[in-house]
Amino acid sequence: GNSVTQMEGPVTLSEEAFLTINCTYTATGYPSLFWYVQYPGEGLQLLLKATKADDKGSNKGFEATYRKETTSFHLEKGSVQVSDSAVYFCALRGGGSEKLVFGKGTKLTVNP
Amino acid sequence: EAQVTQNPRYLITVTGKKLTVTCSQNMNHEYMSWYRQDPGLGLRQIYYSMNVEVTDKGDVPEGYKVSRKEKRNFPLILESPSPNQTSLYFCASSLKGGGYGYTFGSGTRLTVV
Repeated sequence: GNSVTQMEGPVTLSEEAFLTINCTYTATGYPSLFWYVQYPGEGLQLLLKATKADDKGSNKGFEATYRKETTSFHLEKGSVQVSDSAVYFCALRGGGSEKLVFGKGTKLTVNP
Repeated sequence: EAQVTQNPRYLITVTGKKLTVTCSQNMNHEYMSWYRQDPGLGLRQIYYSMNVEVTDKGDVPEGYKVSRKEKRNFPLILESPSPNQTSLYFCASSLKGGGYGYTFGSGTRLTVV
């Protein structure tokens, strides 16, 4: 079945540091890929998505590129802020299923 | 505002006392789903519904029931809650089709003592 593997962290960075959170997937067919963010005490919010190979999703300074050849969708941000502290989830949907399949999540803490 | 509304946000109950967590969406989405979130286990799907009167089990359905009598509502029912159902629950909705993300509710933190 479909699955997502992401680096589990936690990840601790200083403000303005570069962020990468790795995500790889296994799926049949051509899934769509997503990054969700969960701020403390809140639900999950869609951060960005990509629906086909080589697409780049971007939002709020975050980017991720759908790499079919490496089955990856790594999340990057050039300069993190304290307000980016949250848990980030990589997810996929499709490949014959309507279910959104999540990775385990990566907790990011950004210190001033 | 397009949203998924869950109630209650917090609930403490005793073992065996039936409870219902409500979920409603205002986006005319066909697909709705319930997840539970537990430390170390991530997000696991409990039940989902492809449309009115069409529901099916997810990965961890034991101890839960759902119904979908109207398109906008998808309540989660625990007929005899047990302590291992203590968790954070999320309802989500979406249009059908792999390219669409889910919209999530704010969550219900359930404690069963």
